[in-house]
Parts: sequence; C-alpha cells; structure tokens
Amino acid sequence: AQSVTQLDSQVPVFEEAPVELRCNYSSSVSVYLFWYVQYPNQGLQLLLKYLSGSTLVKGINGFEAEFNKSQTSFHLRKPSVHISDTAEYFCAVSKNTGNQFYFGTGTSLTVIP
Amino acid sequence: NAGVMQNPRHLVRRRGQEARLRCSPMKGHSHVYWYRQLPEEGLKFMVYLQKENIIDESGMPKERFSAEFPKEGPSILRIQQVVRGDSAAYFCASSPEHAYEQYFGPGTRLTVT
Repeated sequence: AQSVTQLDSQVPVFEEAPVELRCNYSSSVSVYLFWYVQYPNQGLQLLLKYLSGSTLVKGINGFEAEFNKSQTSFHLRKPSVHISDTAEYFCAVSKNTGNQFYFGTGTSLTVIP
Repeated sequence: NAGVMQNPRHLVRRRGQEARLRCSPMKGHSHVYWYRQLPEEGLKFMVYLQKENIIDESGMPKERFSAEFPKEGPSILRIQQVVRGDSAAYFCASSPEHAYEQYFGPGTRLTVT
C-alpha cells in the first residue's frame, strides 16, 4: 500500500525567505508524485508533478520539487515566498498502474509580512 | 473550458436526512473521483468511476454511501441518513482517459446539524 507523510503541519516563514515543505512516501511499486495547493475555501490546484525523467521538477508560481528515490522523498521548495503563497499544500502519490491518489495530511504555509 | 463543477458549494442537513452532492467533470473527461476531507486532515479517496461504471470503491464506507456516474448528467455522491461524523468537505476530481493528473472541483462543504 502507498502512504504519504508530510512531516510539518504548519510552516511559518517571512516574506521573501526561502521555504521547503517536506514529503516522504512509502510504496512497494513505482509511483507518480504530485504537489497540490489549496487556497481557503477552494479546491486543489496542481503545482507540479513527477512522472519520469529529470528528478528536478519545476511548477507554477516559482515552486520546484526534487524526487529522491533512495530517500523516498519529494520535497517542495521555493527560493523566495510571497504573501500570496499562504495556503495549504498537499503532497500526493499514485501508483503508475492505477488512478487512485494518496494524499498527505497537508502543510499549512503562512507567509509573514 | 470550464473546470470541474460541484454543487452545491455548501449543504446543511439535519441528522437522518439525505445529502446529494453533484459533480460535473471537465469537458472531455470520462473519469471521476470523489474524496473526503475531514477537518485538519488530508483528502481520503472514496470512489473512482467511469461513465456507468464503478471502477474502485475501496474508500467508500460500506453503508449509507453510494455513487454513480450516469451516461448523461453529473456524477452523484449520495449519503443516506447523515450523521454528524459525515460533516466534511467532499471534493470531486476528473481526468481524461490515460491521464496521470486529476483536476479538482471547489468542493461541497457538508454540515450535519
């Protein structure tokens, strides 16, 4: 079975500082990896995804993530955050043989002016 | 191209009533997924449907919950005899065939009083 762990439930960071949101997964099969962002009272929006190829993936809004197979991690990073990045961030995995997604419990990012 | 539509956005039901949540997938998408998000938790997979078929319902509670995706019209998630523990945000996602990412709707927030 697949599972996703987001180690930090809340991450406060000052505006223009860098941020890393951690995600680790466990799976006995190859997986696809995703990061979604959820703004208050809205649905989830895809930030980026890893399917294959280069382990460094660039997404929207200046975010990027690196797939590390040996550490089973897919941490999300941004070099300089904005106030508008304040939101809930979810890491997700899916088996590359199916359509079911497994989500982490989310990390609440708060950007402090 | 309109995104995934869900209605209603907010639904209040008394204990014992029925709740019907609707999801219209993006144009051209034939796969629909339902997820439940409890407060302070991530999204939990409930069911995966294609037109007129339930593909995977491993996340659905065994009683009171059902889902359908008819040939015409939206997908419906139906909860009979709601209880307070059913209060949550219910998200629908859709994808085209042979796709690896899912597009989420804004969610329906169900409150059981």
